[in-house]
Amino acid sequence: EAGVAQSPRYKIIEKRQSVAFWCNPISGHATLYWYQQILGQGPKLLIQFQNNGVVDDSQLPKDRFSAERLKGVDSTLKIQPAKLEDSAVYLCASSGVAGVRPHNEQFFGPGTRLTVL
Amino acid sequence: GENVEQHPSTLSVQEGDSAVIKCTYSDSASNYFPWYKQELGKRPQLIIDIRSNVGEKKDQRIAVTLNKTAKHFSLHITETQPEDSAVYFCAASVHNNNDMRFGAGTRLTVKP
Repeated sequence: EAGVAQSPRYKIIEKRQSVAFWCNPISGHATLYWYQQILGQGPKLLIQFQNNGVVDDSQLPKDRFSAERLKGVDSTLKIQPAKLEDSAVYLCASSGVAGVRPHNEQFFGPGTRLTVL
Repeated sequence: GENVEQHPSTLSVQEGDSAVIKCTYSDSASNYFPWYKQELGKRPQLIIDIRSNVGEKKDQRIAVTLNKTAKHFSLHITETQPEDSAVYFCAASVHNNNDMRFGAGTRLTVKP
């Protein structure tokens, strides 16, 4: 089966600019996650969707980050305006076909490496 | 929310030796504990997971143990090989994948 797709793979912007990332989860996966992985750290959950509803966005800096999953499939994550500390790899993951074990397993995309100058 | 701590941050072993990575979690409601392997420049990939109704799980050279009382779980890799070199992350989640929290990672180096 096709994996999680993300684009772009790399992005370089200047601080205060805006940027958007796109994710296409594995077909049939209801749950979609966006993670921020700063160099040398573990992935940090930013937001979790179940279909097109938000399950958890407690760690999303809502003053500058936003995400949507309008039709319950693809998702976009936006940063506006970007700060230097936003430089990281942004990973998208998906999981779960309800009733199919192990539906907990999260499958990660290749990530988008963002550099903010 | 859940807080996961992982030790050590770096681990170097000789090929053939065993490697052990330990994690602790804070939320007693956590019930799912996956381990991911991330090679340089690549995406994290699940290598093994354990649920709170099980104390130990093995898959060839990899095993995970869980102590719910102490709220810690460990990854054991036996007969290590150079291709085991990577960063390993533990994670914990409550209610079947909700609220997943990752540890900071352990960089494992296996010397040939």
